[in-house]
Amino acid sequence: DIQMTQSPSSLSASLGDRVTVTCRASQTISTFLNWYQQKPGRAPQLLIYAASSLHGGVPSRFSGSASGTEFTLTIRNLQPEDFATYYCQQSYSAPYTFGQGTKLEIK
Amino acid sequence: QLQLQESGPRLVKPSGTLSLTCTVSGDSITNSAYYWGWIRQPPGKALEWIGTVYHSGSTSYRSSLRSRITISVDTARNQFSLKLTYVTGADTAVYYCARQSSGHLDASDLWGHGTVVTVSS
Repeated sequence: DIQMTQSPSSLSASLGDRVTVTCRASQTISTFLNWYQQKPGRAPQLLIYAASSLHGGVPSRFSGSASGTEFTLTIRNLQPEDFATYYCQQSYSAPYTFGQGTKLEIK
Repeated sequence: QLQLQESGPRLVKPSGTLSLTCTVSGDSITNSAYYWGWIRQPPGKALEWIGTVYHSGSTSYRSSLRSRITISVDTARNQFSLKLTYVTGADTAVYYCARQSSGHLDASDLWGHGTVVTVSS
């Protein structure tokens, strides 16, 4: 199985800040890397697919990048609605493993 | 309106069978652009992918569940289902059904609201 190592597990930031979350795959997954946002009591929502493609309706302050087996989610100009938990997931091959999540909290 | 809705018993006894159904509204489950899957989230923990059924009818399952899990499609009812046998407390979780889109490199672009399933006597 492909392991996805996500860091940090938690992050504190202020409104207007820029934050980054990293996900590392245990083997090559090309660009089959997705990012999801989950708010308490809600289903996850797709933010970014194919490492860097923004899903429809997602604000442009969200972006994704890839370098080999390391993937990064960047959020610029943090807004109140961005404080949530973020998960990466590889869809390169089954089992389609998730990272352990990053909880983004208000400082 | 395109949506997914989970249904099924919320309480299952230990060693029993967990059975959930996901009803697809607003599109055909036979659309070859999509696969259909289940993801769960134990209380306070991360998301766990547990299985996917492809438009060919073939399936992929989480390694640790392979001996207990079946995912199938009912095209007549536009539904897909999850069966998990011999459940224990470790199977207590919020269960989500989701659509994987080949146009999004197999990302899950549409999710149900989720249903809480508790394993307890």
